[in-house]
Amino acid sequence: AQKITQTQPGMFVQEKEAVTLDCTYDTSDQSYGLFWYKQPSSGEMIFLIYQGSYDEQNATEGRYSLNFQKARKSANLVISASQLGDSAMYFCATAAGGTSYGKLTFGQGTILTVHP
Amino acid sequence: NAGVTQTPKFQVLKTGQSMTLQCAQDMNHEYMSWYRQDPGMGLRLIHYSVGAGITDQGEVPNGYNVSRSTTEDFPLRLLSAAPSQTSVYFCASSYVPPGQGKGNTIYFGEGSWLTVV
Repeated sequence: AQKITQTQPGMFVQEKEAVTLDCTYDTSDQSYGLFWYKQPSSGEMIFLIYQGSYDEQNATEGRYSLNFQKARKSANLVISASQLGDSAMYFCATAAGGTSYGKLTFGQGTILTVHP
Repeated sequence: NAGVTQTPKFQVLKTGQSMTLQCAQDMNHEYMSWYRQDPGMGLRLIHYSVGAGITDQGEVPNGYNVSRSTTEDFPLRLLSAAPSQTSVYFCASSYVPPGQGKGNTIYFGEGSWLTVV
């Protein structure tokens, strides 16, 4: 079984600054994947970034990077140069064996508010 | 969220009524799943399918049935709706490409808002 913990219910950041959203996970699987999704107020789930447990380098996708610390079981999302459109709910999720057939375990989310 | 279509987008049910949430994908994905999202929470897995004719339970399966007669469709049935099933429902589809699995192969539908009164 997997478990995801997001300890920050809400975060605030000034526009153009960087912000880190925390995520720790608990899994007994040797192979797993870590995901971050963005959910704006409109409700859709938008994929941001993925990190495989065997990937040695931290994943990056544009302004998003994943700070993967395997020994600490943490997978923090870093958003650089925040924009007003980044205001949303952010979810960390994990799946055994990589994508594991789409079976994701989600954290409770962090609401990010970007101030102008 | 191109490729995964959920209907209806909004539905109000009375307690005890039954209904089916439809999910269809046109990407020939093997794997499909249903999640529910309650207010202020993350998504929780209800049921999933690894191919036509094969389904299994997720974390919160009680009160829901699924079937997978075709690769494209994965309907979710509420047998006797209860107020506790008021939630937003997401369907997702995915595949594992040859070699390493990649996270951006999981595609979500736009969600179905269900209220049971």
